[in-house]
Amino acid sequence: QQQVKQSPQSLIVQKGGIPIINCAYENTAFDYFPWYQQFPGKGPALLIAIRPDVSEKKEGRFTISFNKSAKQFSLHIMDSQPGDSATYFCAPSKILSTTRTDDMRFGAGTRLTVKP
Amino acid sequence: DVKVTQSSRYLVKRTGEKVFLECVQDMDHENMFWYRQDPGLGLRLIYFSYDVKMKEKGDIPEGYSVSREKKERFSLILESASTNQTSMYLCASNKRTDTQYFGPGTRLTVL
Repeated sequence: QQQVKQSPQSLIVQKGGIPIINCAYENTAFDYFPWYQQFPGKGPALLIAIRPDVSEKKEGRFTISFNKSAKQFSLHIMDSQPGDSATYFCAPSKILSTTRTDDMRFGAGTRLTVKP
Repeated sequence: DVKVTQSSRYLVKRTGEKVFLECVQDMDHENMFWYRQDPGLGLRLIYFSYDVKMKEKGDIPEGYSVSREKKERFSLILESASTNQTSMYLCASNKRTDTQYFGPGTRLTVL
């Protein structure tokens, strides 16, 4: 079974800090690397995603760094705010014409708390 | 905007009852998914469907079945609910294996 390992499990930072969440995967066929954000009582929603042809993507205060050789990608949150407190999931997958379970995996999640 | 709706936000059932969880999406997505979410375990895939009447087992299909008679609707069935099926159930949909769009979840309690 293909594995996705997300770390850390939980993270507490002060407002303005830069939390970093990591995701390591095994399936070298993955070609879509998203991060989802989930607030309490809500379903996860796409935050930012990257394709393997670039090593970094920035959207506002959120940045994905991708290291293909290490089979890892990370989420960085610049100038973090209390409103960023949520659970974050990585979910690497492979874009295929048909879907197989091995081609999409969610990490276990990271609960981020940003203190005022 | 993509909309994925789930029939109930909260549900309380008794052990042994048959439970139906309904999910509807309005974006003509081919794929639909059912996950359960438990603290410390993340999202675990129960079943998914890539077309009408098609289904594939996920990582934890035991004790569950699904039905997809129409493209927009995917149902999760607990044939005989047990206490270890108390969980948050999330439905999602997407085109192929791109971004998944999630519903708000159903928190099921089995007494």
